[in-house]
Amino acid sequence: LAKTTQPISMDSYEGQEVNITCSHNNIATNDYITWYQQFPSQGPRFIIQGYKTKVTNEVASLFIPADRKSSTLSLPRVSLSDTAVYYCLVGDPFNFGNEKLTFGTGTRLTIIP
Amino acid sequence: DSGVTQTPKHLITATGQRVTLRCSPRSGDLSVYWYQQSLDQGLQFLIQYYNGEERAKGNILERFSAQQFPDLHSELNLSSLELGDSALYFCASSNTPTGGGEQYFGPGTRLTVT
Repeated sequence: LAKTTQPISMDSYEGQEVNITCSHNNIATNDYITWYQQFPSQGPRFIIQGYKTKVTNEVASLFIPADRKSSTLSLPRVSLSDTAVYYCLVGDPFNFGNEKLTFGTGTRLTIIP
Repeated sequence: DSGVTQTPKHLITATGQRVTLRCSPRSGDLSVYWYQQSLDQGLQFLIQYYNGEERAKGNILERFSAQQFPDLHSELNLSSLELGDSALYFCASSNTPTGGGEQYFGPGTRLTVT
């Protein structure tokens, strides 16, 4: 799996849009980008997955530039309940290889009232 | 609810003991992954099984072992437990062969070694 780099922490105010960027310079052709959210003492929760351009679902958007070396998770109008750790994971969902699943330290997002 | 179940929720045991953690994946998912998360640490990948076969291995200690049964549930066995093994252990499943697909996590088992 491609190595990823994310900011360690971010703060934002309620009601704002939050963008968290993940860098993955050595992403491979067949790799997808997946984001997870984790609350304390709970298992991570799948948020969104994409391969290129833009993906949107009911909770977030994922922006992927043409070179795919980075991606941005966008959370619209955040609330206090969005305070959590967000992980970016890059990998090929379908082909076995020498996978070392590395979630890294993630980005700790704190929403301020 | 992710559809992944883990038992037990909490486990308290003494050093030197052996425990077994159980995971039932989402219906239809063939892949099962095990992770360890110590206090305020990131998720450490331990091992993955796909349709009964071991497919990927992370930093799993030799004292730990796992298996996936024909009904696709999985068990993680931890032996000769040490204080440092105290952590949350998560199981995840996916309908893709590798962890690069969408993983769905269980609620975890909190292991406390005293």
